[in-house]
Amino acid sequence: DGGITQSPKYLFRKEGQNVTLSCEQNLNHDAMYWYRQDPGQGLRLIYYSQIVNDFQKGDIAEGYSVSREKKESFPLTVTSAQKNPTAFYLCATATDRGRWYNEQFFGPGTRLTVL
Amino acid sequence: SQQGEEDPQALSIQEGENATMNCSYKTSINNLQWYRQNSGRGLVHLILIRSNEREKHSGRLRVTLDTSKKSSSLLITASRAADTASYFCATGANSKLTFGKGITLSVRP
Repeated sequence: DGGITQSPKYLFRKEGQNVTLSCEQNLNHDAMYWYRQDPGQGLRLIYYSQIVNDFQKGDIAEGYSVSREKKESFPLTVTSAQKNPTAFYLCATATDRGRWYNEQFFGPGTRLTVL
Repeated sequence: SQQGEEDPQALSIQEGENATMNCSYKTSINNLQWYRQNSGRGLVHLILIRSNEREKHSGRLRVTLDTSKKSSSLLITASRAADTASYFCATGANSKLTFGKGITLSVRP
């Protein structure tokens, strides 16, 4: 987990609320990713960014939004449009912009629960 | 869509035994990677094997790749209780890294 910080570790949200998950890295990596992990589903890509001020949708982007204003930070907002947001969210980084199938480094994760 | 599929879904062995996990995939890949995840934690990269490689070693880990069969195996030799975790294969292709659903390995002391 070294070099990648995710906060908070646990997050509880009421239905209809937007929440923002933080991801910060000091590895000087260009690429950053957000994944969602559900039991028995493996990891699914939500959004990714290869450079500051640019990001692309992954496989399950609906109901989520991101920003990449700084190289070190890639926050994920879970909006009220996300129908089933309870999950474990993982942030990852990688070197070599444009070759983002290289080794990825993961943060410790945020567990989001909708009450 | 899931690219890699691991087999078996769960594996329980005695400490000291070898653990073999398999991954199959459907389309051409640039590389295949294996990751470990301890319960409630982030993933840790174990090893990467490129499409032009057939075997790779790292400590007690041995990975093979057979592109003709679109399959890979991860062998952990002389397993330890600390190897208890979930293991994921991930395939790099089409500018994307796609993860399988994982294998749960339990190593009994």
